[in-house]
Amino acid sequence: DTEVTQTPKHLVMGMTNKKSLKCEQHMGHRAMYWYKQKAKKPPELMFVYSYEKLSINESVPSRFSPECPNSSLLNLHLHALQPEDSALYLCASSQDGGAGRDYGYTFGSGTRLTVV
Amino acid sequence: KQEVTQIPAALSVPEGENLVLNCSFTDSAIYNLQWFRQDPGKGLTSLLLIQSSQREQTSGRLNASLDKSSGRSTLYIAASQPGDSATYLCAGWRYSSASKIIFGSGTRLSIRP
Repeated sequence: DTEVTQTPKHLVMGMTNKKSLKCEQHMGHRAMYWYKQKAKKPPELMFVYSYEKLSINESVPSRFSPECPNSSLLNLHLHALQPEDSALYLCASSQDGGAGRDYGYTFGSGTRLTVV
Repeated sequence: KQEVTQIPAALSVPEGENLVLNCSFTDSAIYNLQWFRQDPGKGLTSLLLIQSSQREQTSGRLNASLDKSSGRSTLYIAASQPGDSATYLCAGWRYSSASKIIFGSGTRLSIRP
């Protein structure tokens, strides 16, 4: 299995809702990432987990809450989002934080989030 | 300041042409580079990864080169096809921050039948 699987593919939520995005990989990768991408812009890093511990938080608002229950799974919990949070949310993984630069990243197909 | 620059931002060529996409980086500490393809509304598909010890990588009709001394990478696409239409992103790593890949702004490529 050489894929990163993200669910759901599309999500519409109200500003008072609580929802979660899920990301799963079975490549034995020990680093996992959340990115946010707005239209016609490159992805922006949000969080990095390395060996199931949060290693980087790019000053992301607390309405986004990441979780890494095990080495294969990464969640992003969403609460009280704003319309400007509407974007494509991408998950990625690499062998580990250091090996990512040597072996590259694998990205999922993304979750298209719309906040209404 | 944009650390990784891709020129042109958009490119439209007729089918069958060979083409070159450019990626330049201002930070000499960037050493490994990965090229991705992104279809509209979709995730990123890895095309080629060039490590600092390598000068180029090839996969099918794609060839990517890396010249650290000039701060440039190129993606060469031979015999372009309409299915090659997508946004192409280059991204690099610094020695000092292995977890932070730095993306270029992308080149939107359109291949006309």
